[in-house]
Amino acid sequence: GDSVTQMEGPVTLSEEAFLTINCTYTATGYPSLFWYVQYPGEGLQLLLKATKADDKGSNKGFEATYRKETTSFHLEKGSVQVSDSAVYFCALSDQGSGNTGKLIFGQGTTLQVKP
Amino acid sequence: DAGITQSPRHKVTETGTPVTLRCHQTENHRYMYWYRQDPGHGLRLIHYSYGVKDTDKGEVSDGYSVSRSKTEDFLLTLESATSSQTSVYFCAISLPGGLAGGASTDTQYFGPGTRLTVL
Repeated sequence: GDSVTQMEGPVTLSEEAFLTINCTYTATGYPSLFWYVQYPGEGLQLLLKATKADDKGSNKGFEATYRKETTSFHLEKGSVQVSDSAVYFCALSDQGSGNTGKLIFGQGTTLQVKP
Repeated sequence: DAGITQSPRHKVTETGTPVTLRCHQTENHRYMYWYRQDPGHGLRLIHYSYGVKDTDKGEVSDGYSVSRSKTEDFLLTLESATSSQTSVYFCAISLPGGLAGGASTDTQYFGPGTRLTVL
């Protein structure tokens, strides 16, 4: 079945460093891809999304490009801030379920940014 | 803000007792979902609903049941709680689009979560 694999964390960076969190997927169809962020003690928030190959999603300085040839959707940010410290989840829409909107999540990557 | 609330936000219960978690939405969305979040597993789908009285199983449905008697409420019940059901439970609803310029693919929005501890 479809699946999502994220790089293991935690990822620890200094403020203003460049961030990459790797995400690869396995899917039989053409899923949409998402990044969600979870700040401490809160629910998940949609960070960005891409719905087809070569699309780039972007929001709040984060971006990710839907790469069909490498089945990847890596999250990047040029200069992280302490406020970016959170858990980041990569997800794909479950195309095998019809139009039900079900998502399959990766295991999450914890990012810690130090001043 | 998709207007999703969950109750209770925290609960401690004992093994073998029934537990019901409530998800309430204010904007008449058709699709609702229950997930559990556990370290190393991300979020896993328990059950979902695609309308009043229309529900289906997700990846980890054993030991859980759901009900949706009206559009705004989606209830998750643990008939006889076990320690393996200690987790954080999230409800979500599905909206089209989701970000400025977003395409038509449905996007999920999550409630604040319920932390359940089964002793």
